[in-house]
Amino acid sequence: GQNIDQPTEMTATEGAIVQINCTYQTSGFNGLFWYQQHAGEAPTFLSYNVLDGLEEKGRFSSFLSRSKGYSYLLLKELQMKDSASYLCAVRDRTSNYQLIWGAGTKLIIKP
Amino acid sequence: DADVTQTPRNRITKTGKRIMLECSQTKGHDRMYWYRQDPGLGLRLIYYSFDVKDINKGEISDGYSVSRQAQAKFSLSLESAIPNQTALYFCATSDLEQGVGNEQFFGPGTRLTVL
Repeated sequence: GQNIDQPTEMTATEGAIVQINCTYQTSGFNGLFWYQQHAGEAPTFLSYNVLDGLEEKGRFSSFLSRSKGYSYLLLKELQMKDSASYLCAVRDRTSNYQLIWGAGTKLIIKP
Repeated sequence: DADVTQTPRNRITKTGKRIMLECSQTKGHDRMYWYRQDPGLGLRLIYYSFDVKDINKGEISDGYSVSRQAQAKFSLSLESAIPNQTALYFCATSDLEQGVGNEQFFGPGTRLTVL
């Protein structure tokens, strides 16, 4: 079956680094997305991985290992505005290329 | 101006009422989606449309119907609302090609409460 797991909640300190993990099981992996969602707002796109390795974009990086069914989102130099939920989603060929979403990780940043 | 808009933003209704949520986009994308979001659950796909003549059921289509009136407009209807349809509803769009990232762009959401 299809399944995506992420931690429910994480806490980190302003200025620090945090890694949010995502593990997945899908029949037809076709790419992995990370989105940010502030409370009560729409999700916004952060990153996309389809090949193994690290994609870096400013303070945010995303890593993928297809053989392990594993990804992480790395946030550096944390700012208070990074307090949000981070959603992992996998595109699946066997679901007509639709996204399968994790429940999200709520990240709390403390001063 | 927002690229993906949804109306209404908030709606409170009663069990058994018919409700329509509307979505419009100015991004020129062919693909449009309706999701619902519930606390503790991931986004769940209700319906999606690859173009005006192509409508597909998602994971949780029962109790919902859709209409793709034009490339830019995609409406979601609840024919007879029930309390467990209380949720945050998002419309999203994406471009056509599958070979690249093609991230989805989300509207601001409609918070629906069914009493």
